[in-house]
Amino acid sequence: QVQLQESGPGLVKPSGTLSLTCAVSGGSISNINWWSWVRQPPGKGLEWIGEIYDSGSTNYNPSLKSRVTISVDKSKKQFSLKVSSMTAADTAVYYCVGGPNFDYWGQGTLVPVSS
Amino acid sequence: QSALTQPASVSGSPGQSITISCTGTSSDIGTYNLVSWYQQHPGKAPQLMIYEVTKRPSGVSNRFSGSKSGNTASLTISGLQAEDEADYYCCSYAGSSFPYVFGTGTKVAVL
Repeated sequence: QVQLQESGPGLVKPSGTLSLTCAVSGGSISNINWWSWVRQPPGKGLEWIGEIYDSGSTNYNPSLKSRVTISVDKSKKQFSLKVSSMTAADTAVYYCVGGPNFDYWGQGTLVPVSS
Repeated sequence: QSALTQPASVSGSPGQSITISCTGTSSDIGTYNLVSWYQQHPGKAPQLMIYEVTKRPSGVSNRFSGSKSGNTASLTISGLQAEDEADYYCCSYAGSSFPYVFGTGTKVAVL
């Protein structure tokens, strides 16, 4: 069974950059070949951030595209998210997700944006 | 791209069947048979329950079923159980310019 685990800072300052990494275990990262990030502000619904394929090609939510970068490192079995120019509106639980149907989810990590 | 529209809450008694609707547009649900549903218990990550409108992943109870008509998708939970009390989200593919849109979410209460 594939397992995903997010890691990153517990807090980001306004105007700062969020960097999260998702470690994949229990399965082959290449077999899944489709990785995404989804976020959920406290008490609110889910928002798709973006995705990366095994080939390295990416798609991003147009509302976030100018601030988001997703990358993958297959040798380390991990993929990453960077979001720049963070504001309070970016405070959310960030989930890493694997599979074409959002099949596998990490436990999520809460990222507050505060000075 | 606007979020798909779901009722804020749906409730039912144990053993009953309930249906959650998910209304989109001809640009998403109406065009693609790529609707999925997720169950989320408080403080937990979402879990895939239905994909490609009607398919169930291995391990998901057959009490959960999906369907679609026009621009609206639906999730039906039959034989409602206490453990089904959770938030449910739909999601649809919406084309290459904005691939995925989630629903607004529905809280299911078991009375």
